[in-house]
Amino acid sequence: QKEVEQNSGPLSVPEGAIASLNCTYSDRGSQSFFWYRQYSGKSPELIMSIYSNGDKEDGRFTAQLNKASQYVSLLIRDSQPSDSATYLCAVVSRPHKDDKIIFGKGTRLHILP
Amino acid sequence: DAGVTQSPTHLIKTRGQQVTLRCSPKSGHDTVSWYQQALGQGPQFIFQYYEEEERQRGNFPDRFSGHQFPNYSSELNVNALLLGDSALYLCASSSTRQGAYQPQHFGDGTRLSIL
Repeated sequence: QKEVEQNSGPLSVPEGAIASLNCTYSDRGSQSFFWYRQYSGKSPELIMSIYSNGDKEDGRFTAQLNKASQYVSLLIRDSQPSDSATYLCAVVSRPHKDDKIIFGKGTRLHILP
Repeated sequence: DAGVTQSPTHLIKTRGQQVTLRCSPKSGHDTVSWYQQALGQGPQFIFQYYEEEERQRGNFPDRFSGHQFPNYSSELNVNALLLGDSALYLCASSSTRQGAYQPQHFGDGTRLSIL
C-alpha cells in the first residue's frame, strides 16, 4: 500500500519567518511530487511540482526533494497571513498513464500576525 | 482560459438516493480524475478517465461509477447513497497527451450532504 505521510499540525509560524513543511512517502519508485495549497472550504491549488533531487525555487516557495531518504519538503519564506492554509503533498509513482496520484492528509499552517 | 468547472456547487440528498456530478476539464486537458475529500482528510482517489474509458480506480465500491464524453467532460454517479458519502467531491483534469505525468488542476468541487 503506497502511502504519503504528513504531520497534520497545526504548524504555527510568526509572520515573516520561514515555514517548513515535510512529507514522506513509502514507494521508492515515486518520481513526481507536488505541493497543493487548500484554503478552508476551497479546492486544492497547485503551487509547486518537483521531479528530480535537489531544490526548486519559485518566488517565496522552495520545494526540496531527497529520493534516497524518501522525503519532500516545502519552505515558505517571509510567511504571510495569507499563507495560512492546509498544504497537501501529492506523489505519483511513475510518469505512466496507469498511475494515480496519492495525497497526504495535509498539514495545517497558521501564520501568526 | 476556462479552468476546471464543476456542477452543482452544493447538493443535499437522502440515504438511498442517486446523484450525478458533472465536470468540464480545463481547456487542452484530456484526462479527468475524481476525488472524495472528507472533512480534515486529503483527497481520496476514486477513478480516472481517459479516452472515454476508466483506466484507473481507487478503493471505492461499485456504487461509484463514471463516464467521460467525447468532449472530455465527465460525470460521477453514486447510487444508493449512504451517510458516509457526505464529502467534497473534487474533479481534476490533466493532459496525458503531453507525455510524462502532468500536474492536475482542480475544480471548486461539489459539496454533497446526505441526510
